[in-house]
Amino acid sequence: NAGVTQTPKFQVLKTGQSMTLQCAQDMNHEYMSWYRQDPGMGLRLIHYSVGAGITDQGEVPNGYNVSRSTTEDFPLRLLSAAPSQTSVYFCASSAFGISGNTIYFGEGSWLTVV
Amino acid sequence: SQQGEEDPQALSIQEGENATMNCSYKTSINNLQWYRQNSGRGLVHLILIRSNEREKHSGRLRVTLDTSKKSSSLLITASRAADTASYFCAPSSGGTSYGKLTFGQGTILTVHP
Repeated sequence: NAGVTQTPKFQVLKTGQSMTLQCAQDMNHEYMSWYRQDPGMGLRLIHYSVGAGITDQGEVPNGYNVSRSTTEDFPLRLLSAAPSQTSVYFCASSAFGISGNTIYFGEGSWLTVV
Repeated sequence: SQQGEEDPQALSIQEGENATMNCSYKTSINNLQWYRQNSGRGLVHLILIRSNEREKHSGRLRVTLDTSKKSSSLLITASRAADTASYFCAPSSGGTSYGKLTFGQGTILTVHP
């Protein structure tokens, strides 16, 4: 049981390039989400999904696309990278149940846009 | 979803001392969770307290919830150097907020050996 797995761990992009951050979970969780964490800003929600085929925007969705074709995977696409997207990205998943909506986080992807 | 605000922003203590962090929120909640983040790692769930609970314990952690004041506190007793981390609270109103908790800037706890 690996939990939430993110790849890559580190990535350097040039301005204007596109890339996809991968996220997979093996806990059969309905909910998956992407956050970014900037110094002094806490975590901000980018996009989230409540199930396969259903996605919605969070606080800071501009410049990012997501899709949810399977329960397990929730990739985050940067369409045209900008230096403002330099950040640490966290994928997370959760399930509704008697334990409430505890969120399980991946280990993060460090992205630098130059 | 609503965001909790942690206080203080930073806390520095000696090993063996107790550490208390506070969280305030604005609207009614279904539950409130606390998470820990070690440097360079993802957040890890510590404890969840429901709106009908006033206090909850887990090992050296004690969480209280005062819904009338819209506040919660996290107490870590007999702190260890390994407790050095950032701590975040996440209030949740349930329902459509599931899966998309909002996090504040957290409290940075430093425990000196």
